[in-house]
Amino acid sequence: QKEVEQNSGPLSVPEGAIASLNCTYSDRVSQSFFWYRQYSGKSPELIMSIYSNGDKEDGRFTAQLNKASQYVSLLIRDSQPSDSATYLCAAGGLYNFNKFYFGSGTKLNVKP
Amino acid sequence: GAGVSQTPSNKVTEKGKYVELRCDPISGHTALYWYRQSLGQGPEFLIYFQGTGAADDSGLPNDRFFAVRPEGSVSTLKIQRTERGDSAVYLCASSLGTFGGETQYFGPGTRLLVL
Repeated sequence: QKEVEQNSGPLSVPEGAIASLNCTYSDRVSQSFFWYRQYSGKSPELIMSIYSNGDKEDGRFTAQLNKASQYVSLLIRDSQPSDSATYLCAAGGLYNFNKFYFGSGTKLNVKP
Repeated sequence: GAGVSQTPSNKVTEKGKYVELRCDPISGHTALYWYRQSLGQGPEFLIYFQGTGAADDSGLPNDRFFAVRPEGSVSTLKIQRTERGDSAVYLCASSLGTFGGETQYFGPGTRLLVL
């Protein structure tokens, strides 16, 4: 079992819809979680970090953490074609919080 | 301010050659990380520096890989006797270094191709 797992997609949503991206993690990671966006040929850029159980909102983005279910999600409201990218879920390691484990990413396509 | 910078942006080498990849972190960031990303995969941790010392090098795949950060700022990832399987994008990231699990900011990466 990998430390962080994501559905590879692609996930296709129409412009203006809500995109829901999901990530599950093993008990070999700590309680710090991150969502990064990666455009093709570019490096990952931070979208959100979340450390506590519950929801965290930032503009059109909401991260949700459910520690009991070992589940992290990212909701993107009012999706735009510019949101089309691969979304990477990352978690800090259990014994080294700075050793991030990444999922393989979910490719999101927002159709105009 | 400037972000993380990496040079070269692309590197093509022949099997068996030695390569050096350079990373210049965000000014003031004491923590520096190297990751490797293969096509269709997420970044894979290689090594983490806090200051000049390697705090965790558990991700280095074998002894052909080595990294240094002699003055606590710029870091160099060195790969000896390159193999075709080393072809990947090598990403460097940095963070403030104030607490564990803080946000890491990535550079543009070096795309390494071993022929």
